[in-house]
Amino acid sequence: AQSVTQLGSHVSVSEGALVLLRCNYSSSVPPYLFWYVQYPNQGLQLLLKYTSAATLVKGINGFEAEFKKSETSFHLTKPSAHMSDAAEYFCAVNENNYGQNFVFGPGTRLSVLP
Amino acid sequence: DVKVTQSSRYLVKRTGEKVFLECVQDMDHENMFWYRQDPGLGLRLIYFSYDVKMKEKGDIPEGYSVSREKKERFSLILESASTNQTSMYLCASRRSREQFFGPGTRLTVL
Repeated sequence: AQSVTQLGSHVSVSEGALVLLRCNYSSSVPPYLFWYVQYPNQGLQLLLKYTSAATLVKGINGFEAEFKKSETSFHLTKPSAHMSDAAEYFCAVNENNYGQNFVFGPGTRLSVLP
Repeated sequence: DVKVTQSSRYLVKRTGEKVFLECVQDMDHENMFWYRQDPGLGLRLIYFSYDVKMKEKGDIPEGYSVSREKKERFSLILESASTNQTSMYLCASRRSREQFFGPGTRLTVL
């Protein structure tokens, strides 16, 4: 069965600092992995996705994530935080067997301090 | 441009009322989903549909039903709303491995 854990329900960084949001997954088959962002009072927007091609995936707004099979991780990073990055971030997994279900992590709220 | 719309952004209902949440997508996607989002729990799948008139239970279907009479529309029904159904409800449609989300409906049951 699939599952996703996100370490840290709330992360605070200073503007210009590195952003690191952690995601670990479990899956019985090679997974597809996703990061979504949710701004206040909005739906979820796809940031990036891993689909078994390159292990380093670049997304929108300067974010990237690296798939590490040995660590079952898919951490999200951004070299320099901007105030507009303040939002909630969700990691999700979808098993690579045309399964219908996406499983989402509990989310990490990112605060960016001036 | 991909678009998923939900009928209401905010909804307030009373316990015992029948509640309809509507979702429409304009992308001709076969797969549609209803999630509820609660703090600390992420998104939990209520129901999904992979074709017109086809539906499957998700992880938390109790107290909910769905209807998909047309490909573009997927409705979530709370037969008798209860206070523990106060939540944010998100609809999504799917193309290949990507889900597209609506803006959400924040439902409060008093």
